[in-house]
Amino acid sequence: GIQVEQSPPDLILQEGANSTLRCNFSDSVNNLQWFHQNPWGQLINLFYIPSGTKQNGRLSATTVATERYSLLYISSSQTTDSGVYFCAVGFWGGSEKLVFGKGMKLTVNP
Amino acid sequence: DAGVTQSPTHLIKTRGQHVTLRCSPISGHKSVSWYQQVLGQGPQFIFQYYEKEERGRGNFPDRFSARQFPNYSSELNVNALLLGDSALYLCASSLRGPEDTEAFFGQGTRLTVV
Repeated sequence: GIQVEQSPPDLILQEGANSTLRCNFSDSVNNLQWFHQNPWGQLINLFYIPSGTKQNGRLSATTVATERYSLLYISSSQTTDSGVYFCAVGFWGGSEKLVFGKGMKLTVNP
Repeated sequence: DAGVTQSPTHLIKTRGQHVTLRCSPISGHKSVSWYQQVLGQGPQFIFQYYEKEERGRGNFPDRFSARQFPNYSSELNVNALLLGDSALYLCASSLRGPEDTEAFFGQGTRLTVV
């Protein structure tokens, strides 16, 4: 089945720093989403980005579908950015599901 | 607009018991998917339903079952609970299926089996 790898697995930053999270996937996809899991467990949608570039405030994302990777940029990080970030992909003929990476734990210190 | 709602939010059950988890999708969404997330891992796919038909099933034992109702809400049932079933159960709602349309998740049901 399709493999989704996220890097780095963990990241510790000082408030105000920038970061880049990477998601590599092993096959063509029709859906790619980035989520932030809050301390209570809910997955918060950040981006739906099967291809191209999107920006939302301090966050932006780029997916290069032909090269099978996506990047999530966080600029001027804040302590509220702390948590676990997941990349998930969907594709036809794959049991109609999202396949998640293992996640990246971000800690932003004041 | 209401998001995806799941009930209950927390649940404690004893080994061998049965549990039913419920999910109401976003209005207009016809697909509901279920995922299990154990501590420290990413969510794992259990089922997807679209228009009341099962479209996908993950690698879970037959103790796990689900259904979707005419109003597109869904139930996940787990029989003969094991300690290893303790996890966060997440429901996702999407217009068609998460394979090609954006999925939105509920707040989850945290199940503890003792």
